[in-house]
Amino acid sequence: GQNIDQPTEMTATEGAIVQINCTYQTSGFNGLFWYQQHAGEAPTFLSYNVLDGLEEKGRFSSFLSRSKGYSYLLLKELQMKDSASYLCAVRGGLTGGGNKLTFGTGTQLKVEL
Amino acid sequence: NAGVMQNPRHLVRRRGQEARLRCSPMKGHSHVYWYRQLPEEGLKFMVYLQKENIIDESGMPKERFSAEFPKEGPSILRIQQVVRGDSAAYFCASSPQGAGEKLFFGSGTQLSVL
Repeated sequence: GQNIDQPTEMTATEGAIVQINCTYQTSGFNGLFWYQQHAGEAPTFLSYNVLDGLEEKGRFSSFLSRSKGYSYLLLKELQMKDSASYLCAVRGGLTGGGNKLTFGTGTQLKVEL
Repeated sequence: NAGVMQNPRHLVRRRGQEARLRCSPMKGHSHVYWYRQLPEEGLKFMVYLQKENIIDESGMPKERFSAEFPKEGPSILRIQQVVRGDSAAYFCASSPQGAGEKLFFGSGTQLSVL
């Protein structure tokens, strides 16, 4: 099966940098995703890592270490609109759940002035 | 190019009634996934379908819940004889093909059981 852990809540200041961590234990691994979800809205795709290392996309970066079962999402130059829930999700391998994504409970980020 | 369309956006049912949730995937997408989200909880996988086939239903409750994705028309998640515990947001997602593709989510259906 899959087990995914991420902090429940985080608070950061506008303009700052915040790192949201995610650890996972899976029976198979075929990629890690980060999604953003505003209250009452659909989750929207942010990033995808399947190989070790850092993927950068504008203000958002995501890192993966498969040997450690660890990922983080880095948000730079925080804006008020970044206040949302950030969901870490793992896709299982061929014997670990196929193509479906298993989600963590999400990290609720609050950006303050 | 419309995204994943779910309807209704909000659905209110009394205990014992049936709930039907619809999902039209993005154009060109043949894979559909249903997830359930309870307040303060993460998205829980329910079922993965391709046209006319259920690929993985390991997250579906054994009773009262069923899903289909017919050759023509939207995917349907059906909940029979709803109970208060079924109250949740139900999200549908689609992808163009199998492994290697990110999921695109609809805006969800908020089901409230009175």
